[in-house]
Amino acid sequence: GESVGLHLPTLSVQEGDNSIINCAYSNSASDYFIWYKQESGKGPQFIIDIRSNMDKRQGQRVTVLLNKTVKHLSLQIAATQPGDSAVYFCAEMTGAQKLVFGQGTRLTINP
Amino acid sequence: EAGVVQSPRYKIIEKKQPVAFWCNPISGHNTLYWYLQNLGQGPELLIRYENEEAVDDSQLPKDRFSAERLKGVDSTLKIQPAELGDSAVYLCASSLSHNEQFFGPGTRLTVL
Repeated sequence: GESVGLHLPTLSVQEGDNSIINCAYSNSASDYFIWYKQESGKGPQFIIDIRSNMDKRQGQRVTVLLNKTVKHLSLQIAATQPGDSAVYFCAEMTGAQKLVFGQGTRLTINP
Repeated sequence: EAGVVQSPRYKIIEKKQPVAFWCNPISGHNTLYWYLQNLGQGPELLIRYENEEAVDDSQLPKDRFSAERLKGVDSTLKIQPAELGDSAVYLCASSLSHNEQFFGPGTRLTVL
């Protein structure tokens, strides 16, 4: 599979490969993190979340990893499909119950 | 179950004109959010309502933006007067207290 550096605006992968999207968050006090998928013309859609007392959580074809030491979050998508093409945002929940979004990574799937 | 409904989906206005966006949250969701999303960026919170009370409006530019949620259900966001820099997508989201937020499709505003 392919992975990006700490943050890149775009990621292109072959259909069937695994994708890894990375995110750095800013607030060490944040205790809840969410990955959203946003398709063109639509609002963000919840994919998976993780609380700060965990370092890994798995869903259907998706896994989120949390490294609190370096304030890093990643989203792994297994066996990427054309329908996975979208912009992916990480978001952190601050102590004020405010959701703060990162800048997003556009995932493109090549046939 | 219907999701968050927003209207209009698209709006084009000239600068200095007023504009209003409407949002109907998911039935039963007491918390409603308005976000601003600039091109290529993540959404940024403008205002959060708990029922009819605005509990966080710290990021709302109050000189030209206003919002209301009079009966604690649907909500309107208004800009008067609009400026060129207000061109963006305005997203509404709702949740049951502080649980998962569900987003509407947004209103894409273009100010000419």
